[in-house]
Amino acid sequence: EVQLLESGGEVVQPGGSLRLSCSASGFSLSGYAMSWVRQAPGKGLEWVSSIAGRGGNINYADSVNGRFIISRDNSNNMLYLQMNSLRVEDAAVYYCARVEWLFLGWGALEIWGAGTVVTVS
Amino acid sequence: AIRITQSPSSLSASAGDRITITCRASQDVSTYLAWYHQKPGKAPKLLIYGASSLQSEVPARFSGTGSGTDFTLTITRLQPDDFATYYCQQYYTFPWTFGQGTKVESK
Repeated sequence: EVQLLESGGEVVQPGGSLRLSCSASGFSLSGYAMSWVRQAPGKGLEWVSSIAGRGGNINYADSVNGRFIISRDNSNNMLYLQMNSLRVEDAAVYYCARVEWLFLGWGALEIWGAGTVVTVS
Repeated sequence: AIRITQSPSSLSASAGDRITITCRASQDVSTYLAWYHQKPGKAPKLLIYGASSLQSEVPARFSGTGSGTDFTLTITRLQPDDFATYYCQQYYTFPWTFGQGTKVESK
């Protein structure tokens, strides 16, 4: 069964750092681009970052650019999000998601994990 | 960034009803538009990709149309399991952006 499982969310003080992990199972991570999407309490979905299958193409939302770093370890089927200089407004449920494979370009977010909660306070 | 305007923000409907949700992009996104639904406390689930392609195992009562800037999600014969919040998302260009969501509630 294809699954994504996030971990690493916890309570952190403003200005602090946190690393989120996403463990993939049931498929080879190297074959897919991956993304992080977040949802603040009671709010809608906000795309955070995406990384291509081999890691060479990375994009960030303006709100996190320069503070967050997305990375991947294909050999261990793991995706990461290093979050630095955390702000109160970064508090959210963070989801990792698999990007639909397209021959050219990026696809939709076809598989989602259950999310991990980050509290900044 | 491309703005996505989704409407309505909420609607009330009954099981068996047909409902329509629309998304308008501030610029052309071709057919790089997806629809998701989300239940409280759960992760979003992909329903439609490429504006009109039904994701595997999603019931055929869901359908999507549109291209360019105007898109529609239609649910025919609404089922109890369909009461949720629906989001559209463009993945034509970064930063990817979502609509603000439509909450579908039971009348």
